[in-house]
Amino acid sequence: DSGVTQTPKHLITATGQRVTLRCSPRSGDLSVYWYQQSLDQGLQFLIQYYNGEERAKGNILERFSAQQFPDLHSELNLSSLELGDSALYFCASSSTDSLTTEAFFGQGTRLTVV
Amino acid sequence: AQSVAQPEDQVNVAEGNPLTVKCTYSVSGNPYLFWYVQYPNRGLQFLLKYITGDNLVKGSYGFEAEFNKSQTSFHLKKPSALVSDSALYFCAVRDIGGANNLFFGTGTRLTVIP
Repeated sequence: DSGVTQTPKHLITATGQRVTLRCSPRSGDLSVYWYQQSLDQGLQFLIQYYNGEERAKGNILERFSAQQFPDLHSELNLSSLELGDSALYFCASSSTDSLTTEAFFGQGTRLTVV
Repeated sequence: AQSVAQPEDQVNVAEGNPLTVKCTYSVSGNPYLFWYVQYPNRGLQFLLKYITGDNLVKGSYGFEAEFNKSQTSFHLKKPSALVSDSALYFCAVRDIGGANNLFFGTGTRLTVIP
C-alpha cells in the first residue's frame, strides 16, 4: 500500500457527462500529480500541484481541470466526456517538489465512458 | 525535451535466469532516472532511482539498475528471476532542465516462465 488513496476505483458514465476523481496523498506529501494511462497513449502526465498551487501542466485537455485543497487532497474534474476519455487515471504524491524525490502512486480510478 | 525509450514491449525469461529490461533516455541536462513496476489492476510501485554517484543502484525486491552516461541507458536487472516478477515495468526520467513531472517510457511486459 503506497498510502495514496484514490476514489472511486471504478466509474462508468455516459458521454457528455462530468465526473470528479478524488485523491488523498500520503500523509505529509505536498505534491500531487495526475496521470492518464491508456492503451494507445501510455502514461501521460496531466497536471501537478504543490501545496495548493498549480506547478506544472502536461497534456491536459481544456475539458479537464484540477485543484488541490488546503488539506492537500486533490480532485480531477473531467467534463463533456468523450469515449476516448476512457482510461485509468492515477494520482501520485511526493514529499517535496524536488526533481530527485520519487512519487508514490495510488491504485487508480478506471473511467469507462459509454 | 526529455524522452525515454523502452525498446522491448515484451521480455520473456525463465525462472532462475537473470533478467534485463532495457531503457534509454534523452535529456537536455543531467537525468534523474526511475524504475516503476505495475502489477495487474494496481498502481505503479517505485523500485529504484538514480540521482548521482555510484552507477549501480540497488532497489526493492532484489532489482538493480546500471546507469551508463555514454550510452544514455538505465537498464533494470535482476540476477535470478521469480515468477512473481511478472509485471509491467516502466522507466521514467526527470530532466534538471525540464518540468518536474516524471516522463514515462511505454513500458515493458516481463513474463517469467516457470
